[in-house]
Amino acid sequence: DAMVIQNPRYQVTQFGKPVTLSCSQTLNHNVMYWYQQKSSQAPKLLFHYYDKDFNNEADTPDNFQSRRPNTSFCFLDIRSPGLGDAAMYLCATSRTKGQGRSGYTFGSGTRLTVV
Amino acid sequence: SQQGEEDPQALSIQEGENATMNCSYKTSINNLQWYRQNSGRGLVHLILIRSNEREKHSGRLRVTLDTSKKSSSLLITASRAADTASYFCATDADAGGTSYGKLTFGQGTILTVHP
Repeated sequence: DAMVIQNPRYQVTQFGKPVTLSCSQTLNHNVMYWYQQKSSQAPKLLFHYYDKDFNNEADTPDNFQSRRPNTSFCFLDIRSPGLGDAAMYLCATSRTKGQGRSGYTFGSGTRLTVV
Repeated sequence: SQQGEEDPQALSIQEGENATMNCSYKTSINNLQWYRQNSGRGLVHLILIRSNEREKHSGRLRVTLDTSKKSSSLLITASRAADTASYFCATDADAGGTSYGKLTFGQGTILTVHP
């Protein structure tokens, strides 16, 4: 089945040690998004790619970066994780901007713990 | 700034009862979407309503949209224990007739359905 896959489901990293979260999709969607969701809060958009065009949210910390080497894969890099970066990280895709007839497709998320 | 606000924050009902959740937003929208999130999991798209629509149905779900009041409601009829989850509204903001191509989420309603 076409889907969005995030690996790993759980990631533990040390304070200050770079970590990479991955997302892949078999939907061939143009747009890929990374959201951060802290406990009991709304998901917050970090950035998104429209094809190869990168769009960073104004309040996304510089500590967070992203790469999209091809249509199928997108990575979230956290250069120096702090305790405040512990959260669920959600990857989502959509066919194109605003084409939401079927909504956005989310992965199951990666829960990041910083120790 | 947060686009969507939901109420109630938490809702506890008995199986078989109906559950109504409300969402308010601040800016013009292209569409509004509702998502469900089981504990520790990703979001699942439930239903999308476009800005020129007033009501949509999908199975036991009924969504209404009032653009003059900038509000939406999600009704789940004949609830089941398996409906226990967090429910989020999300808005796709309107950029002068097109879409910014990103969703902004409300804080969510935690629904508990008791068997």
